[in-house]
Amino acid sequence: QSVLTQPPSASGTPGQRVTISCSGSSSNIGSNYVCWYQQLPGTAPKLLIYRNNQRPSGVPDRFSGSKSGTSASLAISGLRSEDEADYYCAAWDDSLSGFVFGTGTKVTVL
Amino acid sequence: QVQLVESGGGVVQPGRSLRLSCAASGFTFSSYAMHWVRQAPGKGLEWVAIISYDGSNQFYADSVRGRFTISRDNSKNTLYFQMNSLRADDTAIYYCARDRSGWPFDYMDVWGKGTTVTVSS
Repeated sequence: QSVLTQPPSASGTPGQRVTISCSGSSSNIGSNYVCWYQQLPGTAPKLLIYRNNQRPSGVPDRFSGSKSGTSASLAISGLRSEDEADYYCAAWDDSLSGFVFGTGTKVTVL
Repeated sequence: QVQLVESGGGVVQPGRSLRLSCAASGFTFSSYAMHWVRQAPGKGLEWVAIISYDGSNQFYADSVRGRFTISRDNSKNTLYFQMNSLRADDTAIYYCARDRSGWPFDYMDVWGKGTTVTVSS
């Protein structure tokens, strides 16, 4: 089961800012980098944010990540219809000696 | 371009075995660690295994440890996943993904399109 907790859903109107939280513990988020993935319907996940707040080339700067203690957040500003997707956080867990994913958040653009 | 292509999925009876493959191209396969991640129907992502760039280190999720084995053949640019004693709850899309590092591990930066495994009698 997932050890990183995310809200099941988030929504906003076009142009709004949406924030997704990811809550973990000292063995994962508290001591390792966090990354975020976007999964559009019927497709494979895509890297959105790595090392807490870094964007791969090609990812719009509307997406930003942050981390504080044992929690992390993904913010989407200027929300667009194509941002409708599932979003997952992930981190290495020292206690489990493996990666863990968040429970996932479905973003809906109203 | 960097590409990962999974194969080997299918329908298998409970208790039987299946081997997945992931063919890599467009990058120096032997320099990168590799992952398997799965997604059950309608569910979230579950990380299941990782192998270091040279195959000397492997780590598994509790749900598959002792039943599944990750391996690689760097001469063939191919990652494998031997799945034994399959159960109904192993039914999922299985993705292979590249780690940004060879060792220590970092994050998954490139993903394949996945292959579907269905365990059913």
